[in-house]
Amino acid sequence: EDQVTQSPEALRLQEGESSSLNCSYTVSGLRGLFWYRQDPGKGPEFLFTLYSAGEEKEKERLKATLTKKESFLHITAPKPEDSATYLCAVRDNNAGNMLTFGGGTRLMVKP
Amino acid sequence: GAVVSQHPSWVICKSGTSVKIECRSLDFQATTMFWYRQFPKQSLMLMATSNEGSKATYEQGVEKDKFLINHASLTLSTLTVTSAHPEDSSFYICSARGILAGVVDEQYFGPGTRLTVT
Repeated sequence: EDQVTQSPEALRLQEGESSSLNCSYTVSGLRGLFWYRQDPGKGPEFLFTLYSAGEEKEKERLKATLTKKESFLHITAPKPEDSATYLCAVRDNNAGNMLTFGGGTRLMVKP
Repeated sequence: GAVVSQHPSWVICKSGTSVKIECRSLDFQATTMFWYRQFPKQSLMLMATSNEGSKATYEQGVEKDKFLINHASLTLSTLTVTSAHPEDSSFYICSARGILAGVVDEQYFGPGTRLTVT
C-alpha cells in the first residue's frame, strides 16, 4: 500500500527565514511525485511534478527535490504570501490514475 | 491553461434533499476526473475516479448510491449527493487529468464546493 508522510505538520517561519518541508513516500513503483499548494477554502494549486531521483524543479522561491525515498520542498527567503498548506502526492505505476496524498504541512510566514 | 471550475462554490441544503455539484475542465479535455472530500485541517480523501463515458470507480467505504457520479463528456463531471445528511457536510473538490500541451500527468484541481447540510 502506498504511503505518504509529510513533516512537519505545521511550520512557523519569520519572513526571510529559509526552510524545507519533507515528504517521505513508499510506493511499489514511482510514476510521479507531485507538490501542490492549498489556500484555505480553495482547491489545491499545482506546483511541481518530479519523476526520478535526482530531479529538481524551481519556481520563484520554491525548489523541489527528489530522492528514492523522499522529496523536499525548499523555501528560500519566504514571504507572508507563501503561507498556505503544502501537499505532497504520489502516483504509483500500479495504481492507475490515483494520487495518494500526504497529510500536508501548514506553513505560516510572519512578517 | 489547465483551468478547472466547480459550481456551486458554496451550497446549504436541508437534510434529505439532493445536491448536484458540477466540475468542468475549461481549456482542455479531461479523460479522467476525480472527486475528493476534505474535512477541516485534513488532507484530501479520494472518493471516486471517473473516465468519460464509463462508470465511476469508487474507493472503499464510499457509497455508490449516495454519491452519484456522471462523466458524460470530456469536459464535465457531476457529483450528486443524494438524501444528504449533516454528516455529508464537507468540502468537495474535483480534479481533472487530460492532455494539455502534450502534458498528461498532472492533475488540476477545481476551487472546491463547500456543502453544508442542515
